[in-house]
Amino acid sequence: KAGVTQTPRYLIKTRGQQVTLSCSPISGHRSVSWYQQTPGQGLQFLFEYFSETQRNKGNFPGRFSGRQFSNSRSEMNVSTLELGDSALYLCASSAQGGTEAFFGQGTRLTVV
Amino acid sequence: AQSVTQLGSHVSVSEGALVLLRCNYSSSVPPYLFWYVQYPNQGLQLLLKYTTGATLVKGINGFEAEFKKSETSFHLTKPSAHMSDAAEYFCAVTVYNQGGKLIFGQGTELSVKP
Repeated sequence: KAGVTQTPRYLIKTRGQQVTLSCSPISGHRSVSWYQQTPGQGLQFLFEYFSETQRNKGNFPGRFSGRQFSNSRSEMNVSTLELGDSALYLCASSAQGGTEAFFGQGTRLTVV
Repeated sequence: AQSVTQLGSHVSVSEGALVLLRCNYSSSVPPYLFWYVQYPNQGLQLLLKYTTGATLVKGINGFEAEFKKSETSFHLTKPSAHMSDAAEYFCAVTVYNQGGKLIFGQGTELSVKP
């Protein structure tokens, strides 16, 4: 069974640009969550999608948005990039009713 | 709301020594607790989890943790450290029906000296 796949693995963007990150969950998993990891703030929850609906949201500005498609794949978008958005973005998927989150390898975003 | 505190951002042990990584949580409802490990430039790998039932849980690579409700703790232990255990470890909490929303501690970096 394939794990959680995140693309791309590395990304360099310029301040002010926007970026889209992709996450393919484990087959059959309908919940996808996104996290931001930085040295200063640690691992912070961004949002969770379940069956194409946002179920939970963390405390991030509106520049951070996401969506989920009918095949459970999810995308995360960050608009008007700031230097502070440089981070490792992790995606995790869970089965319905499951208690365990399976993480992808992450996308390393660098904003210059 | 839930929160997690990991005591010690960095722990160093000798190979073969006991590993003890501390985690305390706060939750107004029964928690689900997890320990994850992260190697450089990698995602998170689940070591073990507590949901309900037996309070001593065993995980992969010889790690175990004990849920102590009275102490609101979920410390991670391993009897004998290996060099390959060097990594960053994260304690996390969630609650029923919020499984996709994990609240993480700040992490503990474990170093293993030969």
